[in-house]
Amino acid sequence: ETGVTQSPTHLIKTRGQQVTLRCSSQSGHNTVSWYQQALGQGPQFIFQYYREEENGRGNFPPRFSGLQFPNYSSELNVNALELDDSALYLCASSLNPGGTDTQYFGPGTRLTVL
Amino acid sequence: QQQVKQSPQSLIVQKGGIPIINCAYENTAFDYFPWYQQFPGKGPALLIAIRPDVSEKKEGRFTISFNKSAKQFSLHIMDSQPGDSATYFCAARHGSSNTGKLIFGQGTTLQVKP
Repeated sequence: ETGVTQSPTHLIKTRGQQVTLRCSSQSGHNTVSWYQQALGQGPQFIFQYYREEENGRGNFPPRFSGLQFPNYSSELNVNALELDDSALYLCASSLNPGGTDTQYFGPGTRLTVL
Repeated sequence: QQQVKQSPQSLIVQKGGIPIINCAYENTAFDYFPWYQQFPGKGPALLIAIRPDVSEKKEGRFTISFNKSAKQFSLHIMDSQPGDSATYFCAARHGSSNTGKLIFGQGTTLQVKP
């Protein structure tokens, strides 16, 4: 069984640019959630995708958007990057979107915005 | 009301000691409380979780104590080992929510000295 993988591992962008982060969910999981973890903080929920549809969103502006593909892998896109977007971006996959299904996290993508 | 407050921010114990990490919440709609462990360069991994109808849960050396009336819960690590040195996050979720959104505490960095 393959765990959750993310790419790239690290990324450096400048303010105003756009970035795409990728996540492959664990085998058999149809739900992917994205979180932003600022340095020294706990992860914050960005949004969740379930069967290719957005299924809930946290307190993030519309320049944070996502996609989920038929194989349940997912992308996080961030437009018009700001310095405060510098963080570790985590994706987590689960069997189902709600209830108490365990969310399995990937290793994250470290984004630095200069 | 959506916050989970975690303390202490950091903790140093000797090998064999019992570190205790505390969390408090306000929203009584939370009904699932997981603890995650995160090593540097890795994503959070589920350690143990509890529902509020149970006052205590043990898995190996890890124990959660839950006080529903006080809206507090804590993680105890028995016979701590240097390999337990990591950052620990408590979290909460609306068990009935269809998004599975996790709300994390700020994290506790634990160092276990040999």
